[in-house]
Amino acid sequence: ILNVEQSPQSLHVQEGDSTNFTCSFPSSNFYALHWYRWETAKSPEALFVMTLNGDEKKKGRISATLNTKEGYSYLYIKGSQPEDSATYLCAFQAGTALIFGKGTTLSVSS
Amino acid sequence: GAGVSQTPSNKVTEKGKYVELRCDPISGHTALYWYRQSLGQGPEFLIYFQGTGAADDSGLPNDRFFAVRPEGSVSTLKIQRTERGDSAVYLCASSLRAVASGAQETQYFGPGTRLLVL
Repeated sequence: ILNVEQSPQSLHVQEGDSTNFTCSFPSSNFYALHWYRWETAKSPEALFVMTLNGDEKKKGRISATLNTKEGYSYLYIKGSQPEDSATYLCAFQAGTALIFGKGTTLSVSS
Repeated sequence: GAGVSQTPSNKVTEKGKYVELRCDPISGHTALYWYRQSLGQGPEFLIYFQGTGAADDSGLPNDRFFAVRPEGSVSTLKIQRTERGDSAVYLCASSLRAVASGAQETQYFGPGTRLLVL
């Protein structure tokens, strides 16, 4: 059974703080690792699709790294803002379907 | 352009009833996916369509669940004899091509249908 673990489960930070989350996934049969941001009552928004070991991607204040050999990815948010409050999901792709973790719920206070 | 849309946004039904959930993918996307998110869990894969055919239905929990995509665009997820355990958010996603084509495809999600079975 393929298992994707995310930590922490939830996180509360102050505006301006930088933070990071972890996604652990199987290191075999790797195809891609996806990150999504899901705000309440909205569609999950695709942030990154990462495929290569050592890959780093950036989108504004958000960046992600990938280590396929040890099976983990980090998502970083620099200078958190209240609008960053959401659940961040990572998903492992070994074939067609995405296998999601349970997500990290971030709350940013102003 | 328009994203993935799903209707209804919320559905309340009684145990034993039949429900249909609709997904309109992004125009031109050949691949379509259904996922289900139960409370406290991440989304779980149900079924994947490439064009009109269900290429992978290994995630459907039992034979009460069925999905169609007759013209290769809109898809309907059908649940017969609903049970309280079917209560969840049903998510639809589409991608331009299937993973098997070799491209690293982003799956674009709709806002989901929140199903509550009483």
